[in-house]
Amino acid sequence: DTGVSQNPRHKITKRGQNVTFRCDPISEHNRLYWYRQTLGQGPEFLTYFQNEAQLEKSRLLSDRFSAERPKGSFSTLEIQRTEQGDSAMYLCASSWTDGEKLFFGSGTQLSVL
Amino acid sequence: EDQVTQSPEALRLQEGESSSLNCSYTVSGLRGLFWYRQDPGKGPEFLFTLYSAGEEKEKERLKATLTKKESFLHITAPKPEDSATYLCAVLNYGGATNKLIFGTGTLLAVQP
Repeated sequence: DTGVSQNPRHKITKRGQNVTFRCDPISEHNRLYWYRQTLGQGPEFLTYFQNEAQLEKSRLLSDRFSAERPKGSFSTLEIQRTEQGDSAMYLCASSWTDGEKLFFGSGTQLSVL
Repeated sequence: EDQVTQSPEALRLQEGESSSLNCSYTVSGLRGLFWYRQDPGKGPEFLFTLYSAGEEKEKERLKATLTKKESFLHITAPKPEDSATYLCAVLNYGGATNKLIFGTGTLLAVQP
């Protein structure tokens, strides 16, 4: 059990550019979640997968955001045409099917200039 | 709508000075209440799950309790290494949703 791994740890981009983040969950977990956290706030749910199926998406997830989990293993989160309001920590978590105890990665800190 | 409110927003304690953090919640059907610890620049780390009113869980200097409307995280004789943000979250039974709803957290600073 090596934990949830996220890459990159930090990303600085210019407004209007596309960015992609990767998450490698704990191998035996079939659920994978994406959350977003801004300074002084708790994590906000974005979306989750059970195996390769994306089962729920938040209204926060505009059409500029897309997430995939091919073959039910790692996941990617892509943000197109980034805006300054997208600046945040993007957290990935994984869990067993009951979706209760989530194991979080260290996050990707995105700064949009 | 499910809601979680944590208080205080920030708390400064002297080493050894016990205190409690509060998490009040509104949820249609509580499946579980969770406490997480988050250090700066890191993801939240799981501490406890509580399922029903009256339940208590302990880990080292931390004890979590649950009522029908709120949860408390009691910190006994804290040490500087307990300094972190403590997050509360709820999971409900409602519909197809399977997401944790988090509060904004309590930033705890323990001074030596």
